[in-house]
Amino acid sequence: AQRVTQPEKLLSVFKGAPVELKCNYSYSGSPELFWYVQYSRQRLQLLLRHISRESIKGFTADLNKGETSFHLKKPFAQEEDSAMYYCALTGSARQLTFGSGTQLTVLP
Amino acid sequence: DVKVTQSSRYLVKRTGEKVFLECVQDMDHENMFWYRQDPGLGLRLIYFSYDVKMKEKGDIPEGYSVSREKKERFSLILESASTNQTSMYLCASELAGQGAGYTFGSGTRLTVV
Repeated sequence: AQRVTQPEKLLSVFKGAPVELKCNYSYSGSPELFWYVQYSRQRLQLLLRHISRESIKGFTADLNKGETSFHLKKPFAQEEDSAMYYCALTGSARQLTFGSGTQLTVLP
Repeated sequence: DVKVTQSSRYLVKRTGEKVFLECVQDMDHENMFWYRQDPGLGLRLIYFSYDVKMKEKGDIPEGYSVSREKKERFSLILESASTNQTSMYLCASELAGQGAGYTFGSGTRLTVV
């Protein structure tokens, strides 16, 4: 079975501060990991995926197989980063398994 | 740009009613999915489909069924709506084999009274 855990339901940081959203997973094989974001009144959208090793809107995420983690990081948070963030995983099957989400609030 | 359209943004139904939620995508994606989104629980997979007339149960299929008669349309059916099915329902699609991630619809907020 595959599982994704996001331990923080709510996270608040001040503008300009670093932010890290935690994601841990359990899966016996080689997973593909994703971060999705949902801004207020918008649809859920893909933020980044680990196979691309990309930086989107200043966010990065590194897959750590030893710690089974895929934490999302940004060095300087902006108010427009306030949103709900979901970590997600696919294994041998194509369907995504999502975590419970973290609501990020960036304070002015 | 892929569009995934869910026919209703808000629905209010009575307990026991049969409810149809419709989802249409316009980019010839093979894979389609239905999730429900609840606070504190995240997204949970109800059903998915990798081809026309094909369906597979997700993690929480009880009380739901689906229909995929055409490639672009994936319908979620609540056979007899109950109050615990009050939720936000999200449809998503994906191009098979690309690993590109899902494209989501804007969601249907269903309230069962």
